[in-house]
Amino acid sequence: AQSVTQPDIHITVSEGASLELRCNYSYGATPYLFWYVQSPGQGLQLLLKYFSGDTLVQGIKGFEAEFKRSQSSFNLRKPSVHWSDAAEYFCAVGPITGNQFYFGTGTSLTVIP
Amino acid sequence: KAGVTQTPRYLIKTRGQQVTLSCSPISGHRSVSWYQQTPGQGLQFLFEYFSETQRNKGNFPGRFSGRQFSNSRSEMNVSTLELGDSALYLCASSLSQVNTEAFFGQGTRLTVV
Repeated sequence: AQSVTQPDIHITVSEGASLELRCNYSYGATPYLFWYVQSPGQGLQLLLKYFSGDTLVQGIKGFEAEFKRSQSSFNLRKPSVHWSDAAEYFCAVGPITGNQFYFGTGTSLTVIP
Repeated sequence: KAGVTQTPRYLIKTRGQQVTLSCSPISGHRSVSWYQQTPGQGLQFLFEYFSETQRNKGNFPGRFSGRQFSNSRSEMNVSTLELGDSALYLCASSLSQVNTEAFFGQGTRLTVV
């Protein structure tokens, strides 16, 4: 069965510090992987996606993620966090059937000045 | 071009009532998916419509239904509302059945009292 695990429910970092959000997936085939960000009261915005090819993908807002097949991971990174990055981050795998995506439970990021 | 539009943004309903939520996808997109987001369960897939046909359905009771119109706009209906239906309902649109990027609306916040 397909599943996505985000082991960190909440992370706090200082502004300017580096960030890594973890994501592990379970999927029987080559996955399509995504990271979305959600600000309070808002919908989800796509940060980046991995379909195939280079395992290090660049996204918007200075984010990047690395696909590691051997570890079934797709961790999100940012070298220097800004206060505006405070939000909820979701890792997703899909589409599985049609355009259905499976989402992790999210990681809430707090940025302290 | 305009993004995914969901109306209304907020709703308060009483137990036992029914509710209809609307989603207008990005112009040209033919696939619309619905998700329920709650603090305890995260994002859960409700159903997907493509060219007016339901292609896929998640594990929700029959009280949850939807439809898609010829202009790709979609509605979801929840009948006999329960307190547990309180959630953020998100709509996502995709260009086609092979395009794997989903664009989300801002959601409709439903509160059942």
